[in-house]
Amino acid sequence: EVQLVETGGGLVQPGGSLRLSCAASGFIVTNNYMNWVRQSPGKGLEWVSVIYSGGSTYYADSVKGRFTISRDTSKNTLYLQMNGLRGEDTAVYYCVKSHCTTISCLTFDSWGQGTLVTVSS
Amino acid sequence: DIQMTQSPSSLSASVGDRVTITCRASQDISNYLAWFQQKPGKAPKSLIYAASSLQDGVPSKFSGSGSGTDFTLTISSLQPEDFATYYCQQYSSYPLTFGGGTKVEIK
Repeated sequence: EVQLVETGGGLVQPGGSLRLSCAASGFIVTNNYMNWVRQSPGKGLEWVSVIYSGGSTYYADSVKGRFTISRDTSKNTLYLQMNGLRGEDTAVYYCVKSHCTTISCLTFDSWGQGTLVTVSS
Repeated sequence: DIQMTQSPSSLSASVGDRVTITCRASQDISNYLAWFQQKPGKAPKSLIYAASSLQDGVPSKFSGSGSGTDFTLTISSLQPEDFATYYCQQYSSYPLTFGGGTKVEIK
């Protein structure tokens, strides 16, 4: 059974840093495209970043240059390093696994429970 | 960026009703379209990918259709557990983008 468990959220001051972790079980992180998606309180969903099985990464413009997605093969864990945090980064952050179909490897299937990041002084 | 527009933003329906939600893309996305269900305080759940393919374990009362710019999600007979917010998402190009959501409430 696929499981994704995010940790690392919390309260951080503007300009600060935080690293989110997503521990995966039931599949191998490096064999799949893995994503981070966030949801501001009471708002909709916003895609943040993806890391391909081959290691390529892509980011939303709103986080480019501040956030870094990575993974640890030995721990089967996905990470999101967040630097230069702003108030508008306040959100629940979800780790999302993708699977490949005949047309795309960006097909979301499994979501973690999310971890709340609050950026405030 | 590709804009995804859902309509309506909310609807009220009764148990047993057939419900249809529409999602429109600002440009042609072929069938790179997914639907998600989210209940209050919970993570989203994947329902449909490639516009019309059901994720494993999703009941057949959910169906999706469309291609190009216009898509629909249909729930054939609404049940109490289906009251939630539904989102569409395009994965044709970066940045991946979501619709604003449709909240399905009990009439």
